[in-house]
Amino acid sequence: EIVLTQSPATLSLSPGERATLSCRASQSVSSYLAWYQQKPGQAPRLLIYDVSNRATGIPARFSGSGSGTDFTLTISSLEPEDFAVYYCQQRSNWPTFGQGTKLEIK
Amino acid sequence: QVQLQESGPGLVKPSETLSLTCTVSGGSISSYYWSWIRQPAGKGLEWIGRIYTSGSTNYNPSLKSRVTMSVDTSKNQFSLKLSSVTAADTAVYYCARVSAVAGLNAFDIWGQGTMVTVSS
Repeated sequence: EIVLTQSPATLSLSPGERATLSCRASQSVSSYLAWYQQKPGQAPRLLIYDVSNRATGIPARFSGSGSGTDFTLTISSLEPEDFAVYYCQQRSNWPTFGQGTKLEIK
Repeated sequence: QVQLQESGPGLVKPSETLSLTCTVSGGSISSYYWSWIRQPAGKGLEWIGRIYTSGSTNYNPSLKSRVTMSVDTSKNQFSLKLSSVTAADTAVYYCARVSAVAGLNAFDIWGQGTMVTVSS
């Protein structure tokens, strides 16, 4: 099983700041890395697939990068609605998810 | 716009079988892979398995011995059965579509989720 480790567990920032979230895989996942946003009581929403492709309707302030085992989700300038939990996901053998990063308002 | 809706009992007794159905509306179920994913309260996401509209399945190895998925294209529905449940199976269960645009690498449409509690 490929384990995804996200860091930090919690990130405290203010609106307008830049957020950088990390996801590290226990072995290479090629380019099969996606990011999701989940708000309380809601289902996850796909943000980024295949490392850097934004899903339909996702604002340009969300971007993804990385390769192999190290990946990053960047939110260029935080909006109030961006404060949520973020998960990375790979599907190299079978899909697994990271444990999540909670992005909270400072 | 495609929407997914989970349905099924919210309470299941230990050792019994959990049964859920996902209804696809606003589009056809055909020619896509469909998945079940669960999330215990306050915890992360766990992929349970996927089914193609032909009936072909892939399951999470950790759950494979207890999982059965099926599809009914005439009703635009797919289903999950998880046998011999314990309290560890208590979770919100989501159905989701595997994205064709993302090369089957991500889940682009999700149901709202349904809470299933295993308790006597």
